[in-house]
Amino acid sequence: DSGVTQTPKHLITATGQRVTLRCSPRSGDLSVYWYQQSLDQGLQFLIHYYNGEERAKGNILERFSAQQFPDLHSELNLSSLELGDSALYFCASSPRLAANYGYTFGSGTRLTVV
Amino acid sequence: DQQVKQNSPSLSVQEGRISILNCDYTNSMFDYFLWYKKYPAEGPTFLISISSIKDKNEDGRFTVFLNKSAKHLSLHIVPSQPGDSAVYFCAASVSNAGGTSYGKLTFGQGTILTVHP
Repeated sequence: DSGVTQTPKHLITATGQRVTLRCSPRSGDLSVYWYQQSLDQGLQFLIHYYNGEERAKGNILERFSAQQFPDLHSELNLSSLELGDSALYFCASSPRLAANYGYTFGSGTRLTVV
Repeated sequence: DQQVKQNSPSLSVQEGRISILNCDYTNSMFDYFLWYKKYPAEGPTFLISISSIKDKNEDGRFTVFLNKSAKHLSLHIVPSQPGDSAVYFCAASVSNAGGTSYGKLTFGQGTILTVHP
């Protein structure tokens, strides 16, 4: 158990629908990161929050949005889902702002869009 | 634009021998490099990192080598054990970019390591 909790573990939904993925960081960690891993792809950076503030944005689609709440948990909202959105979505957390020392990943949410 | 590349999708080695996993990068702004290991149904786990001011960092059976002029890094595992069988990702970061790059890790595609007993 890495200490980073992601729910749900699996999600199957239809095209056009909207889903919310949830992440609880390790106790004391202020940074939360979201990554997407599609089939045969490496992990693609989506977004980074630090203590409630958005700090960096990667290749995140306009249909996707995220936020970090005052209790530091984060949610990733995916809307108007397409088949190509099927992927593993990982959340990671870190006590720091920078990525130099790495961060701790959760076990991911597997999203299947049918 | 693949800034971090792991050109070998898979590697198979015998238990007790050395495993060498390779990674190339193109962005000269990268100044920290990390290796992660991933088992099925789990998230990636941090293994070892190296700053660009060093050329080697060692932690037990794991050693990372960095060749800045060649923009190449490698992970050596000696001796390899069956429990090391996993997907290995290299990743890179820019520590002083500020702005939109600060907290981001750029990952390679991963190399599947299989260690045979």
